[in-house]
Amino acid sequence: GESVGLHLPTLSVQEGDNSIINCAYSNSASDYFIWYKQESGKGPQFIIDIRSNMDKRQGQRVTVLLNKTVKHLSLQIAATQPGDSAVYFCAEILYNQGGKLIFGQGTELSVKP
Amino acid sequence: DAGITQSPRHKVTETGTPVTLRCHQTENHRYMYWYRQDPGHGLRLIHYSYGVKDTDKGEVSDGYSVSRSKTEDFLLTLESATSSQTSVYFCAIKGRGQETQYFGPGTRLLVL
Repeated sequence: GESVGLHLPTLSVQEGDNSIINCAYSNSASDYFIWYKQESGKGPQFIIDIRSNMDKRQGQRVTVLLNKTVKHLSLQIAATQPGDSAVYFCAEILYNQGGKLIFGQGTELSVKP
Repeated sequence: DAGITQSPRHKVTETGTPVTLRCHQTENHRYMYWYRQDPGHGLRLIHYSYGVKDTDKGEVSDGYSVSRSKTEDFLLTLESATSSQTSVYFCAIKGRGQETQYFGPGTRLLVL
């Protein structure tokens, strides 16, 4: 069945380093991907999105890469800061299922000062 | 802030009692969603709405009902709460023609 999963449940990085959070998806028909950040006690917050016809998209300090050949998505955070500590979810949208959003389990990013 | 509020933010109730959670938006968006978030399961869709009085089931709809009598409010009701419905509930909204869903702050529900 469809699933969106994450390779690593936890990631610890030093402040100032770059972080890479990975996500594998199984549905080749997925049309759209979103990365969310969730801080403790808060709702998921939109970070960046990418359409399936793109390979790369950049935002402020964040870059999302999409490799459709191997069904892999990654979120790169440049110069990671303590405020980046959170759980990061990837999610995919399937247009042929009414725009259903399927979430992965999440990766917890911990930034050491 | 996506203009979404949820109430209450925290609730403790007893098994068998009815519970209603409210999601309110100020963005006039067409689509609204209710999710629950549990350890080991991530976010799972309960019900969603694509317009006033237009709703449909998600993947974990058993034991829940919803109503949307006006654009800005989407209510989630647990007719008879069970301990398995202890969870954090999130509301989300999405505008027409948009893809991204924006989430509210969540409601923490404990069913004893």
